Amino acid sequence: GAVVSQHPSRVICKSGTSVKIECRSLDFQATTMFWYRQFPKKSLMLMATSNEGSKATYEQGVEKDKFLINHASLTLSTLTVTSAHPEDSSFYICRVQGDADTQYFGPGTRLTVL
Amino acid sequence: AQKITQTQPGMFVQEKEAVTLDCTYDTSDQSYGLFWYKQPSSGEMIFLIYQGSYDEQNATEGRYSLNFQKARKSANLVISASQLGDSAMYFCAMSSYNQGGKLIFGQGTELSVKP
Repeated sequence: GAVVSQHPSRVICKSGTSVKIECRSLDFQATTMFWYRQFPKKSLMLMATSNEGSKATYEQGVEKDKFLINHASLTLSTLTVTSAHPEDSSFYICRVQGDADTQYFGPGTRLTVL
Repeated sequence: AQKITQTQPGMFVQEKEAVTLDCTYDTSDQSYGLFWYKQPSSGEMIFLIYQGSYDEQNATEGRYSLNFQKARKSANLVISASQLGDSAMYFCAMSSYNQGGKLIFGQGTELSVKP
């Protein structure tokens, strides 16, 4: 069965609205969660690293006020795309890391902003 | 700075033949790991194979093998006996001990297997 889930799997929203994407670790406690975005036929670009109970660390060029990350528990991290615009349309994937270097990717969330 | 480079945007291979997907990397860290992932059109990331920087033998997993040449900083993926289901995007990735678990990816190679 799935080890990491993401919800929703697909979302379509209007420009200017905010969208929340959840990443859940189902079988183990995640010390660290990573968020990536991927445009069609392109590579996965790391957006930020989140550790439970502390502020996320964002990669250079990623707007922290636009992409809000909350890692409230050892099994849940959320990414909120605030005031979404069409250029934010992308595939967002989380990666979860536990102890002993266990790591798994979520199935991804496809965001379309109209 | 760390960097992963895949110079083949697209590759074609005949079914049942072998194919090599290229990957070169750059890092100043001594301890690092190299990964290959397969991404079908569904978007899920499927882990294929891992090579640690201190591993002396090339990693193998079924039909997948990693041709690790440390001095040349290359970690090519070899897929033997290609199958139609192997058609997908393939990504090379690297994680360094000093980078807190971050995994950075190459540009990807789109592999198409012809019947």
